[in-house]
Amino acid sequence: QKEVEQNSGPLSVPEGAIASLNCTYSDRGSQSFFWYRQYSGKSPELIMSIYSNGDKEDGRFTAQLNKASQYVSLLIRDSQPSDSATYLCAVRGGDTNAGKSTFGDGTTLTVKP
Amino acid sequence: GAGVSQTPSNKVTEKGKYVELRCDPISGHTALYWYRQSLGQGPEFLIYFQGTGAADDSGLPNDRFFAVRPEGSVSTLKIQRTERGDSAVYLCASSEHGVTEAFFGQGTRLTVV
Repeated sequence: QKEVEQNSGPLSVPEGAIASLNCTYSDRGSQSFFWYRQYSGKSPELIMSIYSNGDKEDGRFTAQLNKASQYVSLLIRDSQPSDSATYLCAVRGGDTNAGKSTFGDGTTLTVKP
Repeated sequence: GAGVSQTPSNKVTEKGKYVELRCDPISGHTALYWYRQSLGQGPEFLIYFQGTGAADDSGLPNDRFFAVRPEGSVSTLKIQRTERGDSAVYLCASSEHGVTEAFFGQGTRLTVV
């Protein structure tokens, strides 16, 4: 079992719809959670970080964290074709694992006009 | 500089050769990370520096890989006796501290022929 699991997709949604991306992790001591967007041939770009249970909203993006269920998600509202990319979930541990982030293999999102 | 800078962007080398990959982090960032990414996979952790010291090098695959950060800023990843399996995109990231968000450079695509 991988430490960070994501559905590989592809996930396809129509323009204007809500895209829901999910991630589960195995280390209960994890403290920090990040979502990165990666366009083909480019490096990962940080779009959201979340550190405590609940929701965090930033523009069209909402990150949701449930530490008890070891689950983190990203919602993209009013999806645009420019949102088409691979979304990477990253999890950072606490204490001795601080610093090191473990990534999932990403979910590929396609937003169709 | 404004962002993380990696040089070269592309490197083609022959099997058995030695290569050095350079990373210049965001000014003032004390934490620096090296990852490598293969096609279709998420970034794989290699090593994390806090200041000049390697705080976690558990991801280095074997003793052919070594990284330094002598003055706590620029870092060099060194690979000896390169193998075709070393071909990947090598990503560098930096963060203000080991627990804050990390930002990636554009990566170095290494091809071993």
